[in-house]
Amino acid sequence: NAGVTQTPKFRVLKTGQSMTLLCAQDMNHEYMYWYRQDPGMGLRLIHYSVGEGTTAKGEVPDGYNVSRLKKQNFLLGLESAAPSQTSVYFCASSSQLARVRTEAFFGQGTRLTVV
Amino acid sequence: GEDVEQSLFLSVREGDSSVINCTYTDSSSTYLYWYKQEPGAGLQLLTYIFSNMDMKQDQRLTVLLNKKDKHLSLRIADTQTGDSAIYFCAAAEGGSYIPTFGRGTSLIVHP
Repeated sequence: NAGVTQTPKFRVLKTGQSMTLLCAQDMNHEYMYWYRQDPGMGLRLIHYSVGEGTTAKGEVPDGYNVSRLKKQNFLLGLESAAPSQTSVYFCASSSQLARVRTEAFFGQGTRLTVV
Repeated sequence: GEDVEQSLFLSVREGDSSVINCTYTDSSSTYLYWYKQEPGAGLQLLTYIFSNMDMKQDQRLTVLLNKKDKHLSLRIADTQTGDSAIYFCAAAEGGSYIPTFGRGTSLIVHP
């Protein structure tokens, strides 16, 4: 059982370039999330999805877009990367059907540097 | 929206108890979690507590919840060097289930 898998694990981008981060989960979870982690800032929610075909903005959505075309995948796009988007990005998923256990399961993270 | 606060650093000696504190603002938070992040890794769930509980114990871990003060604590007994990590508190409101995380507390354990 792989859980939550993020690709790539590392990436260096030049300012203005675009890229897509892929998140895949094999737990049949309804909810999926993208967070960014910066020193001293903890985890901040970028976008989330409550089901296939739905997305919603989180705390820091500007400069990012997302898509959830399939239940198991959640893509995070940067159309024109900026140095302020240098961060570690985490994808997570959770089940909302099992009312007893609803914790989020995390991927291993993508370290993105924008130069 | 929900705001979760926790202190940024805690230093303890090996064998002592560690207590990491957290406060949250949304009184409708139903699910409260503690996650552990080791260097270079993602977050892993340590333990959780429901808002209708006051305490939960799991081996060396004790979670205390003061719902009136919206205060959550994690106590690690007999702290080991392997417990050195960042610990995140998270709260989720019963309707949305979307967790809001604190900034994380870096626990440093000295031999």
